[in-house]
Amino acid sequence: ELKVEQNPLFLSMQEGKNYTIYCNYSTTSDRLYWYRQDPGKSLESLFVLLSNGAVKQEGRLMASLDTKARLSTLHITAAVHDLSATYFCAVVEVVDAGANSKLTFGKGITLSVRP
Amino acid sequence: DGGITQSPKYLFRKEGQNVTLSCEQNLNHDAMYWYRQDPGQGLRLIYYSQIVNDFQKGDIAEGYSVSREKKESFPLTVTSAQKNPTAFYLCASSTGRWSGELFFGEGSRLTVL
Repeated sequence: ELKVEQNPLFLSMQEGKNYTIYCNYSTTSDRLYWYRQDPGKSLESLFVLLSNGAVKQEGRLMASLDTKARLSTLHITAAVHDLSATYFCAVVEVVDAGANSKLTFGKGITLSVRP
Repeated sequence: DGGITQSPKYLFRKEGQNVTLSCEQNLNHDAMYWYRQDPGQGLRLIYYSQIVNDFQKGDIAEGYSVSREKKESFPLTVTSAQKNPTAFYLCASSTGRWSGELFFGEGSRLTVL
């Protein structure tokens, strides 16, 4: 069974500084997603990472995927208050040649940016 | 604009009552999903459907039921058999089963009084 772990679960960030959060998963996968959720709101798609070494950037956020290490990182450059939210990674597990693939979410990392 | 519409946004239920949460999409997606989210938790899959008139149980299907009579609609019924139904419920869709991006609705918050 695929397990998806995110750490840390909560991160207090100072405005203007750089941070990295992590998503580890336990079995082979070919797809990883990052989502953002504001309090009481739905999930907003941030990145889709499809291959080993994939790197995607949007504004102050950059996500990368290392399928060999089963690790994705989300790097935050010069944190600003607007980035305060909970960030989820989700991993597609290939069960049997894709016929029974399944998406599993981590528990999320709550980021809080302070002045 | 294309998207997913969930209703109601907030719902209160007395113990022992069944309630149905609506999910409609106009994205022409084949696959639809229901997730449950509890405070401080990730999303857990309740049911999913890849095609009309077909659906499969997810990880926590007990106490829930669904139907998929139309491509654009995937309602979820929370039955009285669900022991702890108070949660935030999210509906999502994608072009195929977990292929491409999942698009989420705004969610329905169910509180059992």
